[in-house]
Amino acid sequence: DGGITQSPKYLFRKEGQNVTLSCEQNLNHDAMYWYRQDPGQGLRLIYYSQIVNDFQKGDIAEGYSVSREKKESFPLTVTSAQKNPTAFYLCASSTLRGIGYTFGSGTRLTVV
Amino acid sequence: GENVEQHPSTLSVQEGDSAVIKCTYSDSASNYFPWYKQELGKGPQLIIDIRSNVGEKKDQRIAVTLNKTAKHFSLHITETQPEDSAVYFCASFQGGSEKLVFGKGTKLTVNP
Repeated sequence: DGGITQSPKYLFRKEGQNVTLSCEQNLNHDAMYWYRQDPGQGLRLIYYSQIVNDFQKGDIAEGYSVSREKKESFPLTVTSAQKNPTAFYLCASSTLRGIGYTFGSGTRLTVV
Repeated sequence: GENVEQHPSTLSVQEGDSAVIKCTYSDSASNYFPWYKQELGKGPQLIIDIRSNVGEKKDQRIAVTLNKTAKHFSLHITETQPEDSAVYFCASFQGGSEKLVFGKGTKLTVNP
């Protein structure tokens, strides 16, 4: 079955450490996205990529970095510069026209 | 850029009643409007969508209506059931930036 996989489901890190969240899709989608969701909040766009080796900042990119070396993969690194990294992170993918916009099951990051 | 407003933020109904969630968008060039359902601890799942050349779409107990002139669209759920309890997000696909812009979500509670 085609889908989008995020791992791990839960992640704990110490303050000051960088951490990388994985996102893989086998839907042959060109575009991939990272969102952050805080309790009771909507979805805020961190980064998105429409083609391999290219990506754009979303609304809250500070303290995050991404790479898109393969069409199937779009990992997100939460750096020590991110002031409040504890949140639920969602990855999504779609065609370039937004068709089939599909979310992963999310990674809950807790920084202690 | 596109702005999507969603109301209400919380909605409580009795089982069997109808629920209506409304969204407005700002970019007249937006052409695709999906609705997502998010259960606790999971990623959002697409439940219904509508394109700008259609005024209404129905799928069993769920329907979406679109008024392009007024730039608003609504989700209608009839004969609500406790399993409909979740957070619902509307979104608008912004053709220029090739990404979805989401509303802040509506927490629907269906009381048995």
